[in-house]
Amino acid sequence: TQLLEQSPQFLSIQEGENLTVYCNSSSVFSSLQWYRQEPGEGPVLLVTVVTGGEVKKLKRLTFQFGDARKDSSLHITAAQPGDTGLYLCAGESGWGKLQFGAGTQVVVTP
Amino acid sequence: GAGVSQTPSNKVTEKGKYVELRCDPISGHTALYWYRQSLGQGPEFLIYFQGTGAADDSGLPNDRFFAVRPEGSVSTLKIQRTERGDSAVYLCASSSDTGELFFGEGSRLTVL
Repeated sequence: TQLLEQSPQFLSIQEGENLTVYCNSSSVFSSLQWYRQEPGEGPVLLVTVVTGGEVKKLKRLTFQFGDARKDSSLHITAAQPGDTGLYLCAGESGWGKLQFGAGTQVVVTP
Repeated sequence: GAGVSQTPSNKVTEKGKYVELRCDPISGHTALYWYRQSLGQGPEFLIYFQGTGAADDSGLPNDRFFAVRPEGSVSTLKIQRTERGDSAVYLCASSSDTGELFFGEGSRLTVL
């Protein structure tokens, strides 16, 4: 059972468009992490958010943690084909013990 | 290499057989984790080692699954009497004091 719900499950956009992926939970987590996973590879950490209301930027990616630390969003500006991948959010419920959402598959076409 | 190494990358076995999956963590990382990722799902926590001991094995689904890390480095995940439902990608990750997890490419297990 996934305690973290991600939406949408799949997103296909054209290069240059913007997109937002959501991660929602009924539980409070001490921190929330976003990963990107490509086929045949393990997830790679993009960012960790810890404080409610926190906003972090990583080039064209903007991550936000909800005030109540139960939800988060990932916004990509001017998406590029290299942004294609499975985006996973994960809440930390113990040292290194992560609860992952099912992921959002993002496809950016040239 | 510098990353987490997992072998085999692919394993096909028959129902009822025994399987071992190996993980070689990043040198110097004291923490090691096993996760399982089924098709269309995010990774699911199985077990966490700190050094040689299993600090948290609450994610192991049943007693057919067992993992060891005898010298605090390489770990082996062992699955007895495999079932078709065990088919998944088994991911290993390691971390240092920072807590950031570095994942390997996974071992894809298919049980026929």
